Amino acid sequence: QKEVEQNSGPLSVPEGAIASLNCTYSDRGSQSFFWYRQYSGKSPELIMFIYSNGDKEDGRFTAQLNKASQYVSLLIRDSQPSDSATYLCAVRVSGYSTLTFGKGTMLLVSP
Amino acid sequence: DVKVTQSSRYLVKRTGEKVFLECVQDMDHENMFWYRQDPGLGLRLIYFSYDVKMKEKGDIPEGYSVSREKKERFSLILESASTNQTSMYLCASSLWTEGTDTQYFGPGTRLTVL
Repeated sequence: QKEVEQNSGPLSVPEGAIASLNCTYSDRGSQSFFWYRQYSGKSPELIMFIYSNGDKEDGRFTAQLNKASQYVSLLIRDSQPSDSATYLCAVRVSGYSTLTFGKGTMLLVSP
Repeated sequence: DVKVTQSSRYLVKRTGEKVFLECVQDMDHENMFWYRQDPGLGLRLIYFSYDVKMKEKGDIPEGYSVSREKKERFSLILESASTNQTSMYLCASSLWTEGTDTQYFGPGTRLTVL
């Protein structure tokens, strides 16, 4: 059974702070890791993906992957109120095209 | 830009009705997916398709069927709608990019079954 765990939150951070969102996964065969942002009532939109150990940066977002510890995280620098949303972690196991999603972490950025 | 469209944003149906949800993508993607999303349960995969006329069951296929007659179109069918199928339905299509298969979602259809 492939499982992806996220703290449901809400995670509250003040504007301008760094928000750190974490995700753990159970299947060691997991190969690719995705972060999606979902605003209330909207569909998920892809932020970024990572498949190599280490960090990957895209603007204010940094994804971090540690396969040995089976966790992936998303850092959001200079958090803005517009970043307030639910962040979904998704994992793809090698050889499959399907994704297993976590239930998401709600982020609240206060002005 | 990837464009995935769904036929309706909101839909209200009666118990026992046959319901069709349509999804169209314009990027020649091979793979297409149907999910439902419910509070506390997250995104759950119903069916997916790797190619025209191909379909695979996801985690919760019961009560649903799908059709993919053309590459760009993937339909989800509720043969006899029930109240427990009230949910947000999300379609996605995927593209291989930078060595991995990346899914892009449509806007979703919020279905209410009365």
